[in-house]
Amino acid sequence: KAGVTQTPRYLIKTRGQQVTLSCSPISGHRSVSWYQQTPGQGLQFLFEYFSETQRNKGNFPGRFSGRQFSNSRSEMNVSTLELGDSALYLCASSSNRGSTDTQYFGPGTRLTVL
Amino acid sequence: KNEVEQSPQNLTAQEGEFITINCSYSVGISALHWLQQHPGGGIVSLFMLSSGKKKHGRLIATINIQEKHSSLHITASHPRDSAVYICAVPNTDKLIFGTGTRLQVFP
Repeated sequence: KAGVTQTPRYLIKTRGQQVTLSCSPISGHRSVSWYQQTPGQGLQFLFEYFSETQRNKGNFPGRFSGRQFSNSRSEMNVSTLELGDSALYLCASSSNRGSTDTQYFGPGTRLTVL
Repeated sequence: KNEVEQSPQNLTAQEGEFITINCSYSVGISALHWLQQHPGGGIVSLFMLSSGKKKHGRLIATINIQEKHSSLHITASHPRDSAVYICAVPNTDKLIFGTGTRLQVFP
């Protein structure tokens, strides 16, 4: 089985721009979770999607949004980028509930905001 | 106080040593995850456990639900075990992560 893929792997944007990141889960997995990792805050939960519905959301501003398609692929969008949004964004897929199932992580997208 | 605390933050060892990494949490949980992150960012799920002990190769994870504590042990450590080890617990269906333990194993 192919693993979780994320595109792009690296991205450089400037303040005020918006960005869309993509995640393709393992075939058959219906849950996709997104995480932000920074040196200062560590790993933080952004949101989880299951069968095209947002099931849970972390403590992030509304500039962070996401969606999931019928084939379980997911995208996250960050609008009006700020310098503090520079981070590694990871997605993970699982067969059912992300918090209590084994999660399979993608390689991440490293976003740099200048 | 963080909901999930790990110790130590940094750990160096000689090849062959027995390693223990600790994780304490303050919320009630149904499962605890141990993750491994190599330089470059890739994260691998090592264990998910809700009671007792699990073993995979040289890795052993234990959990004590009453004491809200889990340990990850590495037997016969090897330089390829060098990585950041992170524990995570679910709280209202959101994973809360520890700050990680950076392990370096020298030959």
